[in-house]
Amino acid sequence: AQKVTQAQTEISVVEKEDVTLDCVYETRDTTYYLFWYKQPPSGELVFLIRRNSFDEQNEISGRYSWNFQKSTSSFNFTITASQVVDSAVYFCALSEAGNQFYFGTGTSLTVIP
Amino acid sequence: EAQVTQNPRYLITVTGKKLTVTCSQNMNHEYMSWYRQDPGLGLRQIYYSMNVEVTDKGDVPEGYKVSRKEKRNFPLILESPSPNQTSLYFCASMGDGANVLTFGAGSRLTVL
Repeated sequence: AQKVTQAQTEISVVEKEDVTLDCVYETRDTTYYLFWYKQPPSGELVFLIRRNSFDEQNEISGRYSWNFQKSTSSFNFTITASQVVDSAVYFCALSEAGNQFYFGTGTSLTVIP
Repeated sequence: EAQVTQNPRYLITVTGKKLTVTCSQNMNHEYMSWYRQDPGLGLRQIYYSMNVEVTDKGDVPEGYKVSRKEKRNFPLILESPSPNQTSLYFCASMGDGANVLTFGAGSRLTVL
């Protein structure tokens, strides 16, 4: 069974629109970490955020915000006022014991100018 | 500059010809790991290493070998590559307590 599900394969938005990328995870561990990574067209993987299972506080960083809800096993990512530079593939990931990492299949975001 | 370096970045080879993709990190990280990225499948972990001489299988280890003789290096070995190993490969490292992977630039491998 997929441990991390990103149901949205591709999303297109017009510049300045807000967009939310969904991530649902599955784990039986009480201690785990969740991540978001960005992969721009150049191909590198860029770390965006890490959350541990004991910290359900939402986080905001500029135009980016993350909503972690243990009750629904979700860790969604919202980009406010999207820009063309936000066009990328975004991966959600789960680490249970800090050893194995499980990535979702990614959401390809296209921001249209 | 702190980084993870993979080589080669691009490689085209033929079925059965052994190859090694090198990975080196200069951050003194204990943990290193390899992933493959395929369309529609995301990134899948191949092998990981918690420390020198300690390696473990990830989700898709078949057809691959690794070794960790030194802390900084973690090569990925394909003893007899097959076309289904055509993929984009990433190496990553992680420091103690950080729980954040730092990735290399990726190695695109094509097996004909």
